[in-house]
Amino acid sequence: AQTVTQSQPEMSVQEAETVTLSCTYDTSENNYYLFWYKQPPSRQMILVIRQEAYKQQNATENRFSVNFQKAAKSFSLKISDSQLGDTAMYFCAFMMFFGNEKLTFGTGTRLTIIP
Amino acid sequence: KAGVTQTPRYLIKTRGQQVTLSCSPISGHRSVSWYQQTPGQGLQFLFEYFSETQRNKGNFPGRFSGRQFSNSRSEMNVSTLELGDSALYLCASSLVGRGLAGDSVLDNEQFFGPGTRLTVL
Repeated sequence: AQTVTQSQPEMSVQEAETVTLSCTYDTSENNYYLFWYKQPPSRQMILVIRQEAYKQQNATENRFSVNFQKAAKSFSLKISDSQLGDTAMYFCAFMMFFGNEKLTFGTGTRLTIIP
Repeated sequence: KAGVTQTPRYLIKTRGQQVTLSCSPISGHRSVSWYQQTPGQGLQFLFEYFSETQRNKGNFPGRFSGRQFSNSRSEMNVSTLELGDSALYLCASSLVGRGLAGDSVLDNEQFFGPGTRLTVL
C-alpha cells in the first residue's frame, strides 16, 4: 500500500516571499503520478501541479514548481512570489500509473499568506 | 464547459437514516471517484466507477455503496447513518479511465466537485 506524509501541519509566509511545502511518500511501484492539490476555504479542490514519475524534469506551473527526488521518494512544492490567494490547505497525493484512479492523500499543510 | 456538480451541497440527517448524494461529472468524463474528508481521517478514497462498473473500492463498510448511470452520473448511498459519517463528500471525474481491457490511454487528471457537507445528528 502507498502512503503519503506531509510533516508540516501549518506554515505561514509573508506575501511575495517563497515557501516550500514538503511531502514524502512510500511505494514499491516504479511508475506513478504525484500531485499537489490546493483546497481554499471554499473547500473546492484544485489541482496545482502534477509530476509523472518517469519524467526526470521537475514540473513547473507559473509560480509553482516541484522538486521531485524519486530515489528519496520526496516531492516538495515551491511557491514563488506568494500571493494572498495562495492561502489554503495543500495536499500532496499519489496515484499509481496503471489501472487505478485512486488518489492517496497526505494529511495536508495549512498555508497562510500574511499581508 | 461546466465543472463537476454535486447535489445537495448541504445535508442534515439523523442517526439511522440513509442518504443519497449525487455527482454529475464533466461532460465526456467517464470515471467518477468518491472521497470522504473528515478532520480526523483526512481524505479517504471510497470508490471509483467507470462505465457503470465499480472498479476500485476503499476500506469502508458495506453501508457505503454507489452506482453509475449510463450518462456517467454517479450516486453514492450511505445507509444506517452514524455520527462518524459526518463529513465532506467529494466527487471527482476524469476524462478516460483505463478500460477493462487495460490498454486505454489514461488521462488521469481528476476534477473535483464542490462537495456535499453531510451532518449526522
